[in-house]
Amino acid sequence: QKEVEQDPGPLSVPEGAIVSLNCTYSNSAFQYFMWYRQYSRKGPELLMYTYSSGNKEDGRFTAQVDKSSKYISLFIRDSQPSDSATYLCATDKAAGNKLTFGGGTRVLVKP
Amino acid sequence: GAGVSQSPSNKVTEKGKDVELRCDPISGHTALYWYRQSLGQGLEFLIYFQGNSAPDKSGLPSDRFSAERTGGSVSTLTIQRTQQEDSAVYLCASSQQGQETQYFGPGTRLLVL
Repeated sequence: QKEVEQDPGPLSVPEGAIVSLNCTYSNSAFQYFMWYRQYSRKGPELLMYTYSSGNKEDGRFTAQVDKSSKYISLFIRDSQPSDSATYLCATDKAAGNKLTFGGGTRVLVKP
Repeated sequence: GAGVSQSPSNKVTEKGKDVELRCDPISGHTALYWYRQSLGQGLEFLIYFQGNSAPDKSGLPSDRFSAERTGGSVSTLTIQRTQQEDSAVYLCASSQQGQETQYFGPGTRLLVL
């Protein structure tokens, strides 16, 4: 079993809908939680970064971490076709350390 | 400023050949990471350099894989006697010391025939 599990999708939504993504993890030592977006044939780019439990909002993006249930979420409001990409969750035990990634969820936002 | 750059963008090689992949991190970033992304395994950590410390090699899948970082900047990942299962996208990332944000390059797509 992988340390970070993520549904591969694809997740298809109409433009303007809320996209809901999530990951579960097994190692309680993970303290840092990130969401990366990856377009086809590009490297991942950081979207959201959260330390420990709680919520964080940035524009249309909201990240949630529930360490008690080892569950992390990303919500994208007012989704746009340009949000179509693969979304990867990642975790870390300490700042500036190696990241452990989920397998990624492919998202398709249809106009 | 310039981001992380990697070369070559694509590499096709024959089974048994050696390959070298290059990574130029963001200037001033002391930490450099190599990851591998493949269809079946997702994105996996390979090796991590931090300043002058000994690298964390815990993710290297076999002794055919090695990496070095010269002068605390450019890094080269070498795969000896390539196998078909080495086919993947090899991604490099860099970060400032102690910072969580890792900036990724576009990757090198390796195909072993």
